[in-house]
Amino acid sequence: QSALTQPASVSGSPGQSVTISCTGTSSDVGDYNLVSWYQKYSGKAPKVIIYEVTERPSGVSNRFSGSKSGNTASLTISGLQPEDEADYYCCSYASSVTLVFGGGTKVTVL
Amino acid sequence: EVELVESGGGLVQPGGSLRLSCVASGFNFRKYDMHWVRQVTGKGLEWVSGIGTAGDTKYPGSVKDRFTISRENAKNSVYLQLNSLRVGDTAVYYCARGLREFNFYTMGVWGQGTTVTVSS
Repeated sequence: QSALTQPASVSGSPGQSVTISCTGTSSDVGDYNLVSWYQKYSGKAPKVIIYEVTERPSGVSNRFSGSKSGNTASLTISGLQPEDEADYYCCSYASSVTLVFGGGTKVTVL
Repeated sequence: EVELVESGGGLVQPGGSLRLSCVASGFNFRKYDMHWVRQVTGKGLEWVSGIGTAGDTKYPGSVKDRFTISRENAKNSVYLQLNSLRVGDTAVYYCARGLREFNFYTMGVWGQGTTVTVSS
């Protein structure tokens, strides 16, 4: 089972919006609404920011939103802030391996 | 306070074994699915095992037959037995809990990780 495909990096200026894509197949992202997104700072544990494609855990900023179309899920960060600079990982249920992560995307705030 | 604390990492030779432990506190452990996720330095996250509340286990092909996850509800603990270790298994290993009770597919609480180094 290959990892889900994410862009290596995205960047934006403070206040702008950025979108990170996560492309899988009909055996994972496309067939199940079980995509989650994790924010990870270097040397720190990951933190879930989106689950089940669009849901936000309590305490997570509403500047983070998720969506899905076909085999591609997306995470949008609106009103980009300096503290959003981190690595972001998508993760999906996959019928063959249960759970599979994307390769990760580094978000840079210019 | 909800907390997961991993231990058991260290230096081991290729072909060797190691047992990681994760002690949970602050929640009803027996009602939560648990996972182990690893990150090789400079690389992405990789899910390596999960165990349900009923003790059912899941693994990806990359570690199946080498890694074994187990849980001991009486000790609020989950374990990962690592066998036939390879240099490529060198990573930080994180313990994680389901976001909600009986929720397997989202990892909602994470430990700080324990480092496994496989080298001769």
